[in-house]
Amino acid sequence: AQKVTQAQTEISVVEKEDVTLDCVYETRDTTYYLFWYKQPPSGELVFLIRRNSFDEQNEISGRYSWNFQKSTSSFNFTITASQVVDSAVYFCALSGVETGANNLFFGTGTRLTVIP
Amino acid sequence: DVKVTQSSRYLVKRTGEKVFLECVQDMDHENMFWYRQDPGLGLRLIYFSYDVKMKEKGDIPEGYSVSREKKERFSLILESASTNQTSMYLCASSPGQGAQETQYFGPGTRLLVL
Repeated sequence: AQKVTQAQTEISVVEKEDVTLDCVYETRDTTYYLFWYKQPPSGELVFLIRRNSFDEQNEISGRYSWNFQKSTSSFNFTITASQVVDSAVYFCALSGVETGANNLFFGTGTRLTVIP
Repeated sequence: DVKVTQSSRYLVKRTGEKVFLECVQDMDHENMFWYRQDPGLGLRLIYFSYDVKMKEKGDIPEGYSVSREKKERFSLILESASTNQTSMYLCASSPGQGAQETQYFGPGTRLLVL
């Protein structure tokens, strides 16, 4: 079975602080993909990143970075020097090749509030 | 840019009414999806479609049906709305089949059933 756990329900930080959002997953698939989405107050989920299970290289995109560790089944997301515009709900999701048909399994989300 | 649009941002309906939620994508994507989002539960898949007139049940299809008559349009139907269907409904599309495909989402419809 596929499962994604985002243990942090809500996080508040002061602007310019760094913040890490945790994501832990469970899957029996040997090939799978991990995603992060951002949901601002407007409601639309915005795609941030996709990572496949064979690529454990960390990714950096501006102030965003992702740390994928297969050994701990984690795919954590760090925002450096947070800004008010980063306030949103962030979802981690998993899709397994063996499970089929690109069904995405979502975590319950982490609500990030950046205080000015 | 991928554009997924949903017909309404907010809807208020009465118990027992038939409700149609429309979703349109403009990128010629094969797959389309309907999710509902509830606090503390994340997103749950209701139905998806991988081709015109094709549909597959997701995790929570009870009380819902779907229609895909054209490639770009995927409709979610609540045959007889109930209060427990009050939720945020999100439509998504993806280019093709496979776990690697990224899903792109619309802005969502907040449905309140009274």
